[in-house]
Amino acid sequence: GEDVEQSLFLSVREGDSSVINCTYTDSSSTYLYWYKQEPGAGLQLLTYIFSNMDMKQDQRLTVLLNKKDKHLSLRIADTQTGDSAIYFCAESLTGGGNKLTFGTGTQLKVEL
Amino acid sequence: GAGVSQTPSNKVTEKGKYVELRCDPISGHTALYWYRQSLGQGPEFLIYFQGTGAADDSGLPNDRFFAVRPEGSVSTLKIQRTERGDSAVYLCASSLGSGANVLTFGAGSRLTVL
Repeated sequence: GEDVEQSLFLSVREGDSSVINCTYTDSSSTYLYWYKQEPGAGLQLLTYIFSNMDMKQDQRLTVLLNKKDKHLSLRIADTQTGDSAIYFCAESLTGGGNKLTFGTGTQLKVEL
Repeated sequence: GAGVSQTPSNKVTEKGKYVELRCDPISGHTALYWYRQSLGQGPEFLIYFQGTGAADDSGLPNDRFFAVRPEGSVSTLKIQRTERGDSAVYLCASSLGSGANVLTFGAGSRLTVL
């Protein structure tokens, strides 16, 4: 079955890098995604990576995928107070239709 | 429309009542999804439509939950005989349904069952 796990909280100082981690159990993932959710708002897609890639960089965001260990991470460079939110990783599976399975979410708090 | 629109944004009802939640997806998106998000949890899949038909309804928790998309655009999630445990934010998303299948989410409908 599918199980996507994340640590619950991360606190960083403004200007530092943040690394949010995610592990998943199903090896048939096709795409893996990072979504951001701010209070009272819907989920906003940040970035995604195809499962045959190791890394993807998009401005301040770097996604690393270790398929052998089933580990996904999101690095945010020069973290700002506006980055404070809950971050969800999600996977879509080969043969799983088009639905996404989400992790439990990591709350990122950026302190001055 | 420009984004995914969900109505109502907030719904308070009493236990045992019937509730309908509406989703208006992005124009041209053939795939539409309903998720449920309880406090402190990630979104949980309920049902997915490709066009007018439900391609996967494996996430619907029981037969009190039903969803329709009669013309392949707007969808309605229907909950009968609501229970307190149904209280959650119900999220709708739409996508082109192919390739990387990027889901665009609405702001959600917060349901509170008293």
